[in-house]
Amino acid sequence: DAGVTQSPTHLIKTRGQQVTLRCSPKSGHDTVSWYQQALGQGPQFIFQYYEEEERQRGNFPDRFSGHQFPNYSSELNVNALLLGDSALYLCASSLYSETGPHGYTFGSGTRLTVV
Amino acid sequence: AQSVTQPDIHITVSEGASLELRCNYSYGATPYLFWYVQSPGQGLQLLLKYFSGDTLVQGIKGFEAEFKRSQSSFNLRKPSVHWSDAAEYFCAVGASNTGKLIFGQGTTLQVKP
Repeated sequence: DAGVTQSPTHLIKTRGQQVTLRCSPKSGHDTVSWYQQALGQGPQFIFQYYEEEERQRGNFPDRFSGHQFPNYSSELNVNALLLGDSALYLCASSLYSETGPHGYTFGSGTRLTVV
Repeated sequence: AQSVTQPDIHITVSEGASLELRCNYSYGATPYLFWYVQSPGQGLQLLLKYFSGDTLVQGIKGFEAEFKRSQSSFNLRKPSVHWSDAAEYFCAVGASNTGKLIFGQGTTLQVKP
């Protein structure tokens, strides 16, 4: 049973460029959430996708956008990269529920370095 | 404001010694509480979670945590630490009607042989 798969594992980009990160959820999960984890910090919620729509969003600028596909996989796009966007980006999948964040499964993350 | 505080940024314990990692939260609603562990370069693994009921919850790898509403705390404990427990530990809080988790800054656990 595959867990959450993220690609690529590492990425180096230049300031001002755009980047796309990908996430395949755990089998049976239909919801994908994205988190940014800066070095030495806890993860911060970016947004959550369910039924191909953004359902919740954290305190991140519009440069951060996402997409969910019919097979539940998801992409995170970041435009006009800043040095401060350097971080580990984590994807978490779950079953959509109105009773709370049950059963999150996290991927190993994509390490983005902006130079 | 909703927040999670882990007062200890770094803790060192000897192998075989007991461990307690502290977590305090500020949350307006009834919280859902979690402890995750992260090894270097890896994602987060769920150790345990509390939603309701018995305030002492058991998790994987011999960890347990106790929810104390009066103290807004959810401390993680383990009676005897193993060298493989060395990692980063995160406490997180969520609400019943949202998938968003708020994480603390994390506590780095070092285990001395």
